[in-house]
Amino acid sequence: GDSVTQMEGPVTLSEEAFLTINCTYTATGYPSLFWYVQYPGEGLQLLLKATKADDKGSNKGFEATYRKETTSFHLEKGSVQVSDSAVYFCALSVRTGGFKTIFGAGTRLFVKA
Amino acid sequence: DAGVIQSPRHEVTEMGQEVTLRCKPISGHDYLFWYRQTMMRGLELLIYFNNNVPIDDSGMPEDRFSAKMPNASFSTLKIQPSEPRDSAVYFCASGPLAGGPASTDTQYFGPGTRLTVL
Repeated sequence: GDSVTQMEGPVTLSEEAFLTINCTYTATGYPSLFWYVQYPGEGLQLLLKATKADDKGSNKGFEATYRKETTSFHLEKGSVQVSDSAVYFCALSVRTGGFKTIFGAGTRLFVKA
Repeated sequence: DAGVIQSPRHEVTEMGQEVTLRCKPISGHDYLFWYRQTMMRGLELLIYFNNNVPIDDSGMPEDRFSAKMPNASFSTLKIQPSEPRDSAVYFCASGPLAGGPASTDTQYFGPGTRLTVL
């Protein structure tokens, strides 16, 4: 079945460090891929998305590229800030036989000043 | 648009009591989802609706949980009777846009209801 696997956290970085959070997926159709972010005490919100192979999603300095050959959608940011501390969820959605979204387990990021 | 609205934001109740969580989705969205989030189990999909019809309720833990969507602008999740292990944050989400392309397949989450069952 469809699934999403992302690296376990927590990830702890110093401010201005480079961030990578790995995400791989398994899907039978042609999924769209997403990164959602959850700040403390809030619901998830869309960070970025890509709907087809080789697309790059970007927002707020974060980027991820849809790699069909490696079934991956790794999240990167060149220089993290304390305000980036949150939980990050990788997800896929497919429209075969209806609409379905599968979320990864989430990766908690702590950024130290 | 005000986004997805959930009420109450916090609920504290005693074991055995009935709990009703409410959700107003974003206007125009075809789908509505109910999730539960705990530290131990992470984010779990409980049930989702398409055009007010329940499509998949396989995530509903047991018969104590029920969900309804009487119209396009309102949904409820009810727990009766509640138990301490039901303590969690419950999220409602809506999306995607009705009839939109795959590029619109984004879910919009409400702020959640934090439920504590004593």
